[in-house]
Amino acid sequence: DAGVIQSPRHEVTEMGQEVTLRCKPISGHNSLFWYRQTMMRGLELLIYFNNNVPIDDSGMPEDRFSAKMPNASFSTLKIQPSEPRDSAVYFCASTPDRVKHIQYFGAGTRLSVL
Amino acid sequence: DQQVKQNSPSLSVQEGRISILNCDYTNSMFDYFLWYKKYPAEGPTFLISISSIKDKNEDGRFTVFLNKSAKHLSLHIVPSQPGDSAVYFCAATSANSGGSNYKLTFGKGTLLTVNP
Repeated sequence: DAGVIQSPRHEVTEMGQEVTLRCKPISGHNSLFWYRQTMMRGLELLIYFNNNVPIDDSGMPEDRFSAKMPNASFSTLKIQPSEPRDSAVYFCASTPDRVKHIQYFGAGTRLSVL
Repeated sequence: DQQVKQNSPSLSVQEGRISILNCDYTNSMFDYFLWYKKYPAEGPTFLISISSIKDKNEDGRFTVFLNKSAKHLSLHIVPSQPGDSAVYFCAATSANSGGSNYKLTFGKGTLLTVNP
């Protein structure tokens, strides 16, 4: 199994630009999570999906952030427009229902907004 | 408001000695706790977990202790090895609060350095 795959691994963009982060969960996993890691706030949950349906988006910082999961094997996190304070490492994780609290993380996308 | 706190940003120990990483929580609804390990440029990986019905769980060199009355848990690594050098995250959840709850609340992590 290839694990959770995130792309790109690094993204550098200018303020105001649209950024799209991508995630492919482990096959057969029902839930998908997007996290953001910063020095100040640590690892915080942004949104999670169960069976492709958004369950809790209370962690999404503001309307500039949106996430979709059009099918069981793909999800995107979009920031439009991006701001320098969005610079962080964004992780995607997935889990199967049978062990729902053990999440499997991707390697992350390091985003730098200049 | 941090519900899961790891008050030591870093810890340094000698190879072969015991490493003790600490974690405190404030939410009394938390009933399941996990430790994750993270190497640079990688995502966190699950290490060990414990349910609130237990006070200890052991897996090889790793043992997690839970003190519910103090809302405190700790991870013991014995003996510590240089390959254990990583950031360790404590996480908590309310496993029995409903079938749809998959949320984990993470601490900010502790950087463990094991010196040869």
